[in-house]
Amino acid sequence: NAGVTQTPKFRILKIGQSMTLQCTQDMNHNYMYWYRQDPGMGLKLIYYSVGAGITDKGEVPNGYNVSRSTTEDFPLRLELAAPSQTSVYFCASSPTGSGANVLTFGAGSRLTVL
Amino acid sequence: TQLLEQSPQFLSIQEGENLTVYCNSSSVFSSLQWYRQEPGEGPVLLVTVVTGGEVKKLKRLTFQFGDARKDSSLHITAAQPGDTGLYLCAGGGNTNAGKSTFGDGTTLTVKP
Repeated sequence: NAGVTQTPKFRILKIGQSMTLQCTQDMNHNYMYWYRQDPGMGLKLIYYSVGAGITDKGEVPNGYNVSRSTTEDFPLRLELAAPSQTSVYFCASSPTGSGANVLTFGAGSRLTVL
Repeated sequence: TQLLEQSPQFLSIQEGENLTVYCNSSSVFSSLQWYRQEPGEGPVLLVTVVTGGEVKKLKRLTFQFGDARKDSSLHITAAQPGDTGLYLCAGGGNTNAGKSTFGDGTTLTVKP
């Protein structure tokens, strides 16, 4: 069971470039999330989805976009990358019901914008 | 916005010592999770507490949820170098939508 898989693991972007962070889960979880983690800080919610076709903004959505065409996949799009987007990005998923707050995380994607 | 404050932010101790990490909020949470994160990896769930006053034990780790469900503590007995990592608490809202709020974490270093 792979759990939550993120790609790429590392990426360096130039200011103004765009890219997509991929995330897929094989646990049939309805809920999926994107968080960013800055050095010495906790996790900040960027976007989340409660099911295919449904997405909503989290705490820090500016500069990002997401889509959820299937239950398994939840890609995060960065448009016009800025140095402030240098961070480690984590995708996570959880089931519905009483387990909704129990998140399974991917291994993270470290992004540097120069 | 629900906020979670963790203390201390950093903790460096010798192997065999005991320690307690705190997670406090002014908000009530339907549940609270503790995760451990190692360098280069994502957070991994340690425990979920749901009931006010609940105490859960995981080997040398003891987790407690406050009676009012606003705070929690993690106590480690006889810490070992393998306990080194970032400990994160996260609070779940009442809507079961899974939008957890995370604290900023406690970085624990256990020296041999």
